[in-house]
Amino acid sequence: GAVVSQHPSRVICKSGTSVKIECRSLDFQATTMFWYRQFPKQSLMLMATSNEGSKATYEQGVEKDKFLINHASLTLSTLTVTSAHPEDSSFYICSASQGAGETQYFGPGTRLLVL
Amino acid sequence: AQTVTQSQPEMSVQEAETVTLSCTYDTSESDYYLFWYKQPPSRQMILVIRQEAYKQQNATENRFSVNFQKAAKSFSLKISDSQLGDAAMYFCAYRNYGQNFVFGPGTRLSVLP
Repeated sequence: GAVVSQHPSRVICKSGTSVKIECRSLDFQATTMFWYRQFPKQSLMLMATSNEGSKATYEQGVEKDKFLINHASLTLSTLTVTSAHPEDSSFYICSASQGAGETQYFGPGTRLLVL
Repeated sequence: AQTVTQSQPEMSVQEAETVTLSCTYDTSESDYYLFWYKQPPSRQMILVIRQEAYKQQNATENRFSVNFQKAAKSFSLKISDSQLGDAAMYFCAYRNYGQNFVFGPGTRLSVLP
């Protein structure tokens, strides 16, 4: 149980285009989903927290207009990187939990490369 | 703000031996959760073990156990009978009720055959 999928696993795009990443909880309802960014050999950096049906809460320094997050259902959250630039190239990881204090279960991550 | 510190950037252990990874954290809260996650080369984050702060008994999951010292704000992970598949980055994490996770910087564990 507690499986989280993420799609796509890898994406290459041209500078200026938008990329959407999907995060799904497959066997549980996720009231809260999290989006992280991870640079090589570094820890996870929280970008934003999304609760189903409400606006995402962004961490300081994360541009909400650039990283659009939607959590339309209890099993799906999406992250859209708008007008991507090479500096947005990174590994993006989502996680999902069933409630406050609950364990986070992580997706397999998406490697984004912007040319 | 809560912080999590892992003072060992890298560790190594001989196969079948035991290794302990350190983690300390800073919080003013009394109720919280602590976790150890493993990130192998595939980069999939995998939950290793979880501890509720209100529980005095240390959590155990097969070969993995923790030494939770609440007063000292210490949460170390012990891996017994180390296996080659245990090689990974290990992240200690803290979570308060209703708040986000705070991750430590990680410890890279190598297992030597």
